[in-house]
Amino acid sequence: AQSVTQPDIHITVSEGASLELRCNYSYGATPYLFWYVQSPGQGLQLLLKYFSGDTLVQGIKGFEAEFKRSQSSFNLRKPSVHWSDAAEYFCALGYQKVTFGIGTKLQVIP
Amino acid sequence: DTAVSQTPKYLVTQMGNDKSIKCEQNLGHDTMYWYKQDSKKFLKIMFSYNNKELIINETVPNRFSPKSPDKAHLNLHINSLELGDSAVYFCASSPPGAGGTEAFFGQGTRLTVV
Repeated sequence: AQSVTQPDIHITVSEGASLELRCNYSYGATPYLFWYVQSPGQGLQLLLKYFSGDTLVQGIKGFEAEFKRSQSSFNLRKPSVHWSDAAEYFCALGYQKVTFGIGTKLQVIP
Repeated sequence: DTAVSQTPKYLVTQMGNDKSIKCEQNLGHDTMYWYKQDSKKFLKIMFSYNNKELIINETVPNRFSPKSPDKAHLNLHINSLELGDSAVYFCASSPPGAGGTEAFFGQGTRLTVV
């Protein structure tokens, strides 16, 4: 069975500070991994995805994520957070049947 | 040009009613999904259709019946609505591909059962 764990339900960072959102997964084969962002009242937007190849993937809005097979992790990072990044972030795993983590709510303070 | 559109965006209805949510995608994708997001923001897949055929049917009450008249549409009909059905329902679609592909989501339909 596949599963995704996002250990941090809520994270607060100051604007301009760096950000790392954690994601761990459980899957028996090569995982297909995604990060989505959901702004209040909106649908989900894909930030980035990993299928194979370079383990450091670049996404939109200045986000990147690193796949570490040995740690079963796919953490999302951004070097400098903007106030507009405040949203809910979902890590997801799978192919056709995608399993989502419970999400991490990011709050950005001025 | 909305890629995945759902209607209505908000739906308030009484217990016991029957309601439908419509979803259309203009991306030419073969696969469409319905997801349910509960009050704690947890997203769970309900159904998946590929070229109008049901390929994933999670443990969902049979009061929920998806219908795909063509591969660009996947509607969700819910009979005898219950309070616990209150949630945000997301439609999504994804393109064909040998590898995994991301899903494109609609804006969601917030269903409130009173």
